[in-house]
Amino acid sequence: DIQMTQSPSAPSASVGDRVTITCRASQTIYTYLNWYQQKPGKAPKLLIYGASSLQSGVPSRFSGSKSGTDFTLTISSLQPEDFATYYCQQTYTSPHTFGQGTTVEI
Amino acid sequence: QVQLQESGPGLVKPSETLSLTCIVSGYSISSGYYWGLIRQPPGKGLEWIGSIYHTGTTYYNPSLKSRLTMSVDTSKNQFSLKLTSVTAADTAVYYCARSGYSGYDWGGEFDYWGQGTLVTVSP
Repeated sequence: DIQMTQSPSAPSASVGDRVTITCRASQTIYTYLNWYQQKPGKAPKLLIYGASSLQSGVPSRFSGSKSGTDFTLTISSLQPEDFATYYCQQTYTSPHTFGQGTTVEI
Repeated sequence: QVQLQESGPGLVKPSETLSLTCIVSGYSISSGYYWGLIRQPPGKGLEWIGSIYHTGTTYYNPSLKSRLTMSVDTSKNQFSLKLTSVTAADTAVYYCARSGYSGYDWGGEFDYWGQGTLVTVSP
């Protein structure tokens, strides 16, 4: 199975900060990488698919990029509603594994 | 608007079979897309369980494959999961979701999710 490792595990941030979350794949997955946001008690929400394509309706402050087997989710200016847990997921090969999650806290 | 609704037992005894149904509205399953199940143990991360194409082709997580059966009923616009021989480790919130086509050889991003249903395995 492909392992997806996210870092940092729990970054502290303030409203207005630029936040970067990284996801590293254990082998090449090209651009078959998605990002989700999950708030407590709620289902995950798709933010980014194909490493950098913004899902319809998602604010433009969210962006995704790729460098080798490292993928980055960037929130350009953190808003109060962005405090949540973020997951990456690879869809290159089965099983379509998720990262362990990164919680963005105040 | 695509909507998914999980229907599950809430409580299952160890060694028994967990049966869960996902009812889809706002989109006809027979028109396409993959349909998946993801679970999340309390306080932990997400685990992909399996997916099924509208034709009935299934894709299972190898870690669950020996205990897992998924099926689709296009006449009722729903898909289902059966997980046999459950243990406490199967206690989780179970989510239904629709999967697109952005994956390499099948499936892709989960763009629509149900609200989730907690299934507890306990005597």
